[in-house]
Amino acid sequence: DAGVIQSPRHEVTEMGQEVTLRCKPISGHNSLFWYRQTMMRGLELLIYFNNNVPIDDSGMPEDRFSAKMPNASFSTLKIQPSEPRDSAVYFCASSLKRGFPDEQYFGPGTRLTVT
Amino acid sequence: AQKVTQAQTEISVVEKEDVTLDCVYETRDTTYYLFWYKQPPSGELVFLIRRNSFDEQNEISGRYSWNFQKSTSSFNFTITASQVVDSAVYFCALSRSGNTGKLIFGQGTTLQVKP
Repeated sequence: DAGVIQSPRHEVTEMGQEVTLRCKPISGHNSLFWYRQTMMRGLELLIYFNNNVPIDDSGMPEDRFSAKMPNASFSTLKIQPSEPRDSAVYFCASSLKRGFPDEQYFGPGTRLTVT
Repeated sequence: AQKVTQAQTEISVVEKEDVTLDCVYETRDTTYYLFWYKQPPSGELVFLIRRNSFDEQNEISGRYSWNFQKSTSSFNFTITASQVVDSAVYFCALSRSGNTGKLIFGQGTTLQVKP
């Protein structure tokens, strides 16, 4: 089975530009998570969805960040406008919600560099 | 508030040595879940183990073993006879019970195993 798929793997953009990160969860999984990893702050949960519905977006840094999950097999994380401090590795993860916290399967990540 | 502390930032050992990675957590919940993830140089996080707060039995999986001690709020991870392929960043994480799946990660411990 294919794992979690993220695209692009690397993104370099200039400050002020819009950035869209994409994620395809594992088929059959009904929970999806977006994380950000930086040296300073470590791994932070940005937002997660259950059955395509955003449940907790308290980790989203500010209004420049938005996430959508239009269907069970696709999610996007958008940053508009991007800033240098957004440079990080962004991970998408999915899991099967079974009434208790289950293992999350992580994608390979998108390394974002904003210059 | 929930918190995970991995006090060891970096550990370096020589191949075949045993090594223990420490994890201390804080939570006021009586039911919770603990996890360990491995992040090899390729970057993708890999699930290693999940343990719920009612199961204090130690677990062994090949060269890996986990020691859960509720009395000291610790969930330590030991690698026996370490190998170069064990070189990675290891994360301990905490989750509340229920349907959230939200993980609180420690800062990670970088393990370097030298040949």
